[in-house]
Amino acid sequence: AQKVTQAQTEISVVEKEDVTLDCVYETRDTTYYLFWYKQPPSGELVFLIRRNSFDEQNEISGRYSWNFQKSTSSFNFTITASQVVDSAVYFCARLTNNLFFGTGTRLTVIP
Amino acid sequence: GAVVSQHPSRVICKSGTSVKIECRSLDFQATTMFWYRQFPKQSLMLMATSNEGSKATYEQGVEKDKFLINHASLTLSTLTVTSAHPEDSSFYICSASETQGSYGYTFGSGTRLTVV
Repeated sequence: AQKVTQAQTEISVVEKEDVTLDCVYETRDTTYYLFWYKQPPSGELVFLIRRNSFDEQNEISGRYSWNFQKSTSSFNFTITASQVVDSAVYFCARLTNNLFFGTGTRLTVIP
Repeated sequence: GAVVSQHPSRVICKSGTSVKIECRSLDFQATTMFWYRQFPKQSLMLMATSNEGSKATYEQGVEKDKFLINHASLTLSTLTVTSAHPEDSSFYICSASETQGSYGYTFGSGTRLTVV
């Protein structure tokens, strides 16, 4: 099965701490895309990043950064200096023919 | 950027009735739309893929007679939950893609269905 595994079900951190959310994926395809989405309590899915399988460059966007390691099939997401507004469920997803989601990590940032 | 509007955001219906959920792409033409279901504290599960003008492709285990999908235009797909039962209560969310492949799918804001 081509799974997306987010081993951390729930994480709690104190505000201003850094936190890394793990994502490991399986795929038989050579071309694929990886995504991270944020789902706040209101329910909508907020797109954070898309990365294609040929681009292993890490990316930083403000307090967010992503580490794509094709050798270990991982696409981890780090939030630095976490804030209460970062509290949400975060989903990693893989796109080949359709978008397949991991089980999500619920992040709680404690003030 | 691309916007997908989903309506209604919340609906409560009686057991045995049918409910229609609409998903519209507001500023682009969506050749493909996807319907997901999310149970509390769980991931999003793909229910079906709909292409404009053709029949939807349902994932294994999804009853096509229970969840009717219509994608009659390039900007509108509808999901009708027929003869709803309490176990159909869930969060339903659609997404749309202008072309399949490299685009980040744009999601609607979701519909929380409660069947009483």
